Amino acid sequence: DAGVIQSPRHEVTEMGQEVTLRCKPISGHDYLFWYRQTMMRGLELLIYFNNNVPIDDSGMPEDRFSAKMPNASFSTLKIQPSEPRDSAVYFCASSPSDRALLPPFNTEAFFGQGTRLTVV
Amino acid sequence: DAKTTQPPSMDCAEGRAANLPCNHSTISGNEYVYWYRQIHSQGPQYIIHGLKNNETNEMASLIITEDRKSSTLILPHATLRDTAVYYCIVRGHYGGSQGNLIFGKGTKLSVKP
Repeated sequence: DAGVIQSPRHEVTEMGQEVTLRCKPISGHDYLFWYRQTMMRGLELLIYFNNNVPIDDSGMPEDRFSAKMPNASFSTLKIQPSEPRDSAVYFCASSPSDRALLPPFNTEAFFGQGTRLTVV
Repeated sequence: DAKTTQPPSMDCAEGRAANLPCNHSTISGNEYVYWYRQIHSQGPQYIIHGLKNNETNEMASLIITEDRKSSTLILPHATLRDTAVYYCIVRGHYGGSQGNLIFGKGTKLSVKP
């Protein structure tokens, strides 16, 4: 398996533009997570899906952020309109179970290589 | 989450053991100690975790002091591919957004030939 695949690897966009990040999870993994990483805030969980259904989106910062998972092999994270403070590395991760979230956390989530977003 | 303190950087010779310390003096009784690493331009990689007993897996060993206020991650035979930033995290028992991993600044381990 090629692992979790994210695209694009790098995105530079102007403030106010729409940005769409894409993710292909590992086949057979029922859980998909979107994270954002910055130096200031570390790695934040934005939203996660189980069997394509959004379970918890409490980490999504604002209404400008939306995520979809139309099928088991594809998910998108959209920011519209984008702002400079959205600049970060966005990671997608998948896992075969929810134990990546629940104690004792002994099943790690498999992360993609991330999308580095720069909003100017 | 309880805060952790790690040295900003460490060097290790290839083939030798790398011992990475972490202080977590405010850890509470139900919080686990987790270690992750992040190789440049890649996503975080889980290494190991523990509650109070020492743990070992195929990647590393985790030594937790009896008072649980500090721990040490041990890579027994470091290789050049172990060069990465290593993060020590404490996490409790909560769900939902507690998938957050507050990494802090970690320790940049440089394995040298």
